[in-house]
Amino acid sequence: KNQVEQSPQSLIILEGKNCTLQCNYTVSPFSNLRWYKQDTGRGPVSLTIMTFSENTKSNGRYTATLDADTKQSSLHITASQLSDSASYICVVSATSGTYKYIFGTGTRLKVLA
Amino acid sequence: KAGVTQTPRYLIKTRGQQVTLSCSPISGHRSVSWYQQTPGQGLQFLFEYFSETQRNKGNFPGRFSGRQFSNSRSEMNVSTLELGDSALYLCASSSGQSRIDTGELFFGEGSRLTVL
Repeated sequence: KNQVEQSPQSLIILEGKNCTLQCNYTVSPFSNLRWYKQDTGRGPVSLTIMTFSENTKSNGRYTATLDADTKQSSLHITASQLSDSASYICVVSATSGTYKYIFGTGTRLKVLA
Repeated sequence: KAGVTQTPRYLIKTRGQQVTLSCSPISGHRSVSWYQQTPGQGLQFLFEYFSETQRNKGNFPGRFSGRQFSNSRSEMNVSTLELGDSALYLCASSSGQSRIDTGELFFGEGSRLTVL
């Protein structure tokens, strides 16, 4: 069964600190993995996309990594800002199956001043 | 380029009523999908439409239905509302053409439904 698990469920850090969010998946056949950021009450917005051959990709202070062998991805946030407070959702795509997008339940990040 | 537009943004209904939500995708996108989001549950897939045809359906009761029009705009309807239907309903569009395309999902701001 295709599944995506994220950890931790929630996280509180101080402004300026770094943090890392985890995403483990059992999705086959794998197509790509995306990290989305969702501000409270808004729709999710894509941060990065990782394909099978990519190990690392950066988008400003956000860096995503992918280990296709262990089926793990991480999202590292550097020098956190108050505006980083949001939910971060890992979405893994499969090229076949009932539905091609498998969503994690997200990590809720709170950045405190 | 305008993003995905969902209306209404907020609505309050009572048990037993029905509701219709609307979604206008990004121009040129023919794939529209709907999701229900509740605290602690994450996004639950409802259905996906492509060129007016339902391509996939999630595990929701028949009270949840949808359709897509020739201009790719989509509506979803929930009949006989229950308290547990209170949620944020998100619509997403993508440019994917085939069933296996896994292009980026562009989400709208959502419709917040409260059932009293």
